[in-house]
Amino acid sequence: DQQVKQNSPSLSVQEGRISILNCDYTNSMFDYFLWYKKYPAEGPTFLISISSIKDKNEDGRFTVFLNKSAKHLSLHIVPSQPGDSAVYFCAAFANAGGTSYGKLTFGQGTILTVHP
Amino acid sequence: DGGITQSPKYLFRKEGQNVTLSCEQNLNHDAMYWYRQDPGQGLRLIYYSQIVNDFQKGDIAEGYSVSREKKESFPLTVTSAQKNPTAFYLCASSRPGIYNEQFFGPGTRLTVL
Repeated sequence: DQQVKQNSPSLSVQEGRISILNCDYTNSMFDYFLWYKKYPAEGPTFLISISSIKDKNEDGRFTVFLNKSAKHLSLHIVPSQPGDSAVYFCAAFANAGGTSYGKLTFGQGTILTVHP
Repeated sequence: DGGITQSPKYLFRKEGQNVTLSCEQNLNHDAMYWYRQDPGQGLRLIYYSQIVNDFQKGDIAEGYSVSREKKESFPLTVTSAQKNPTAFYLCASSRPGIYNEQFFGPGTRLTVL
């Protein structure tokens, strides 16, 4: 049961244009969402996050949008740069109902390629 | 310079042998995690530990074991019972009470021949 899905395995974009990476989730208990960027043979690095009480969070060239009614979030990268080429993972977090621990559930990842 | 270290980066073992992957952090984080990544799949949680001397199974714990004797260290043993051990293994940690933002190590690529 894949609770977090990234339905596009890959995305190719021209340098300077916008990259839009999408993520869908099924568990309505998720209340915090994150995007990680990963280069081959390296660990993921945290990129940007959003709480379920917001619908948008912006950090420089990166903006995450959350549509709770559609259970959908997206990451926009503007303008895209060749150094942005990597695998992007969407992750969702659900608090374990009063306890301090929940867990991250990851999507399958989307390979972004930005062409010069 | 704080961070998470995993060693070695590449590891080869013969089928049927147990192997232990190292994970050390100097971030003073209480919680630590082990994930596995396979091609075309997201990260799947193997084990996690919120505090020293305590750990819990994740989604795919079968064939793996862990220990948490020190706050800084969370080694993962891949046993011969793990049917498909060849994968990229990632260790992560998170700050006290902030379990939703996890910081990852560089990973270990394990290949079982």
